[in-house]
Amino acid sequence: DSGVTQTPKHLITATGQRVTLRCSPRSGDLSVYWYQQSLDQGLQFLIQYYNGEERAKGNILERFSAQQFPDLHSELNLSSLELGDSALYFCASSPRTGSGDEQYFGPGTRLTVT
Amino acid sequence: GENVEQHPSTLSVQEGDSAVIKCTYSDSASNYFPWYKQELGKGPQLIIDIRSNVGEKKDQRIAVTLNKTAKHFSLHITETQPEDSAVYFCAADSWGKLQFGAGTQVVVTP
Repeated sequence: DSGVTQTPKHLITATGQRVTLRCSPRSGDLSVYWYQQSLDQGLQFLIQYYNGEERAKGNILERFSAQQFPDLHSELNLSSLELGDSALYFCASSPRTGSGDEQYFGPGTRLTVT
Repeated sequence: GENVEQHPSTLSVQEGDSAVIKCTYSDSASNYFPWYKQELGKGPQLIIDIRSNVGEKKDQRIAVTLNKTAKHFSLHITETQPEDSAVYFCAADSWGKLQFGAGTQVVVTP
C-alpha cells in the first residue's frame, strides 16, 4: 500500500458526460501528479500540482482539468467524455517538486465511457 | 521532449533464472530513472531507482545500471520467482515529468 488513495475505483458513464476523480496524497506529500494509462498510449503524464498550484503540464486535453485543494487532495475533472477517454487514471504523490522526486502511485480509477 | 524506449515487450523466464530489461532515453537533461512494477489491477509500484551521479544500484535481487554516455539503463532481476511476474516500466524524469517506457510483461514459469 503506497498511502495514496483514489476514489472511485470504477466509473462507468456515457459519452458527453462529466466525471470527477479524487485523489488523496501520502501524508506529508505536497505534490500530486495525474497519469492516464491506456492500451494504445501507455502511461502518460497529464498534470502536476504542488501545494495548490499547477506546476507542470503534459498531454492533458482541454476537456480535462484538475485542481489541488488546501488539504492537498486533488480532483481531476473530465468533461464531454468520448469513448477514447476510457482508461485507467492514476494519481501519484511526492514529498516535494522538481526533478528526482520519488513518485508513489495510487490504485487508480478505471473509467469506462459507453 | 523526452522519449523512452523499452525492450523487450515480453520476457518469459524459468524460475531461478535472471531477467534483464533495457531502456534508452533521449533527453540528456534527464537525471532520475525509476523502475515500477505493475501487477494486474493495481497501480505501479516503485521498486528501485537510480540517479545520474550513480552507475549502479542494488537492492536484494534487483539491480539497476545506468550509462549516461550511451543514454541507457537496465533492470536486472536475479533468482526470479513466480511473484516477480508482472509488467515492469522504466521511466526517465525530465524536469519533474516522468516519461515511461511501453512496459515489459515478465512471466516467470515454475
